[in-house]
Amino acid sequence: IAGITQAPTSQILAAGRRMTLRCTQDMRHNAMYWYRQDLGLGLRLIHYSNTAGTTGKGEVPDGYSVSRANTDDFPLTLASAVPSQTSVYFCASSPGISGTYEQYFGPGTRLTVT
Amino acid sequence: GNSVTQMEGPVTLSEEAFLTINCTYTATGYPSLFWYVQYPGEGLQLLLKATKADDKGSNKGFEATYRKETTSFHLEKGSVQVSDSAVYFCALRPSGGSYIPTFGRGTSLIVHP
Repeated sequence: IAGITQAPTSQILAAGRRMTLRCTQDMRHNAMYWYRQDLGLGLRLIHYSNTAGTTGKGEVPDGYSVSRANTDDFPLTLASAVPSQTSVYFCASSPGISGTYEQYFGPGTRLTVT
Repeated sequence: GNSVTQMEGPVTLSEEAFLTINCTYTATGYPSLFWYVQYPGEGLQLLLKATKADDKGSNKGFEATYRKETTSFHLEKGSVQVSDSAVYFCALRPSGGSYIPTFGRGTSLIVHP
């Protein structure tokens, strides 16, 4: 089934640990995004990539890093987790960066940092 | 910068009631406008979109019209069902620059039988 997969589904992580959230899409979309969703704050963009080999910072990039080695994968790394990074993380993609393109979202990863 | 403002929830309705969720935006140029829906425990999915002024997007009985003069994109449905209970997000995507989407904070809809 075409779409976006994220792993893990959920994770409890000790503060200070390193963690990589995985995101893979099979739609050959050029653009990919990472968001965090917190109650009352909606979706906030962490990092994005307009095409393989390029990345950019979103609204809340501190404490997170990304890479885009190929079209399909866009992992998000927390170098040293802190409790404020407890959130639900969504990966998304779109066919391109044109303003008319909608985004396709993965099912999310629920992360708890203790 | 760009921004999207949508009415705060939760919106609580009885089945078969009429639904309106207000959305207004601030952006330069002519952005595309979107409504996404998020069912419990899932990611967002596109509900409808409109890419130019006066366009009407529609899907599953939901409608929204791109009003440039009032910078609005209000979501409506004539008769809601319990299965419509979800969180609804209004979003815009600029027509230039970085093309980065901007989302509203979401409106929770609860429909009672």
